[in-house]
Amino acid sequence: DAGITQSPRHKVTETGTPVTLRCHQTENHRYMYWYRQDPGHGLRLIHYSYGVKDTDKGEVSDGYSVSRSKTEDFLLTLESATSSQTSVYFCAIQADGRNRNEQFFGPGTRLTVL
Amino acid sequence: AQSVTQPDIHITVSEGASLELRCNYSYGATPYLFWYVQSPGQGLQLLLKYFSGDTLVQGIKGFEAEFKRSQSSFNLRKPSVHWSDAAEYFCAVGANNNDMRFGAGTRLTVKP
Repeated sequence: DAGITQSPRHKVTETGTPVTLRCHQTENHRYMYWYRQDPGHGLRLIHYSYGVKDTDKGEVSDGYSVSRSKTEDFLLTLESATSSQTSVYFCAIQADGRNRNEQFFGPGTRLTVL
Repeated sequence: AQSVTQPDIHITVSEGASLELRCNYSYGATPYLFWYVQSPGQGLQLLLKYFSGDTLVQGIKGFEAEFKRSQSSFNLRKPSVHWSDAAEYFCAVGANNNDMRFGAGTRLTVKP
C-alpha cells in the first residue's frame, strides 16, 4: 500500500471555525491532490500541488486553501467552515502529473460542520 | 473539460452471476480511463486503467473493461461475482490537463 495518511480521520466542528486537514506521504511523490466526496457527485478535485509551494485550483476550490511547505505534507484549510463543506475528504498522490498514471488514495477524513 | 457518467446508481446481482457496470465519458481526444473500487470506510483502489493499445484491459480481482471509442464507453465486467465484490465503483477520465474527473459511482450489492 502507498504510504499515505490523513489526519484527523474524523472531525466535527461548528460553522465559522477554521479547520485544517493534513495529508502525509512517505513515497516522495511530486503530485498531491485534495478531493471531496459527496453522494451523487463522486470525487471532485479541490486543489492540487505539483511541488513544494506549487499549487493550483481544482473544480471546487472556493472556500478552501492549501499549502505545501514540504514534499511529504499537503494541508487543506477551510478558513471559515460552512455546512456545505460537510463531506469526506480524500488526499491522493501521484508520481508525476501525467494522468495516465495511477493516483493512490489515502483513507479519507470525514468532516461534519454543524 | 472531460466528464464521466455512470448511469446506474445501484446494482444488485446474485453471487456467481456476471456483472457489467456502465461508464460513458465525454472528451475530445483519446482519454485516460480508470476504474476504482471503494469499500466502506476506505479510500479508492485502482482496478484497471486504459490509455492506449489493446482496448480490452485486464485488472485485478478478475475484472476487465473494454474501451469502445465509437460509443464513448468504458464498461467494467466480471464473469462471476463474489460476495467480497460488494463495494462502490467509480469510473474516472483523465486528460493532459492534470484534471481527473470521476463519475458519481455505482454501488454494487451482491445477493447470496
